[in-house]
Amino acid sequence: AQSVAQPEDQVNVAEGNPLTVKCTYSVSGNPYLFWYVQYPNRGLQFLLKYITGDNLVKGSYGFEAEFNKSQTSFHLKKPSALVSDSALYFCAVRDESGGSYIPTFGRGTSLIVHP
Amino acid sequence: GAGVSQTPSNKVTEKGKYVELRCDPISGHTALYWYRQSLGQGPEFLIYFQGTGAADDSGLPNDRFFAVRPEGSVSTLKIQRTERGDSAVYLCASSLGGSGYEQYFGPGTRLTVT
Repeated sequence: AQSVAQPEDQVNVAEGNPLTVKCTYSVSGNPYLFWYVQYPNRGLQFLLKYITGDNLVKGSYGFEAEFNKSQTSFHLKKPSALVSDSALYFCAVRDESGGSYIPTFGRGTSLIVHP
Repeated sequence: GAGVSQTPSNKVTEKGKYVELRCDPISGHTALYWYRQSLGQGPEFLIYFQGTGAADDSGLPNDRFFAVRPEGSVSTLKIQRTERGDSAVYLCASSLGGSGYEQYFGPGTRLTVT
């Protein structure tokens, strides 16, 4: 079985400050992990993924995420937040050994960046 | 290049009516997914196609829901005897494959059942 949790419904940060959006997961085998962003009235856009290799993954718009196997986490980070980063962020996981190609999405975290 | 498109963008229908939602994936993407998203929730899986066949339809909530992808490209999600609880945003996504590939999402169809 695979599951993912985004423990924060909302994250508030001031523009220019670093931001972190948390994600933890549970899988039986190895995880494939994804972050997506959703702007109002739009579909989800892919930001970055971890499949294998370097634990620090860099993605679009200056975002990065760190895969931590011992803590089963894949937190999304950005060194300096922009007001335009305000959106809904979704973490997703797929168990590589699960035999299914269906990812499980978290409930989403609303990121609000204040000017 | 062209992304995933979905039509219509909005659909209002009366309870009990039949609706069809269309998804046009990115050219060359063999995998196609349908999701349903309610307010404050993440995408909820409905059905996954690899090519023309439904590889996994375990997310379809009941037999009122059906989807096809006859030529391995465009897909149609069909809902019979709509109920108010079917109101949601229906998202379509495509990807190059079903394994570690990321998904590309369409803008969604907002379905409202009155």
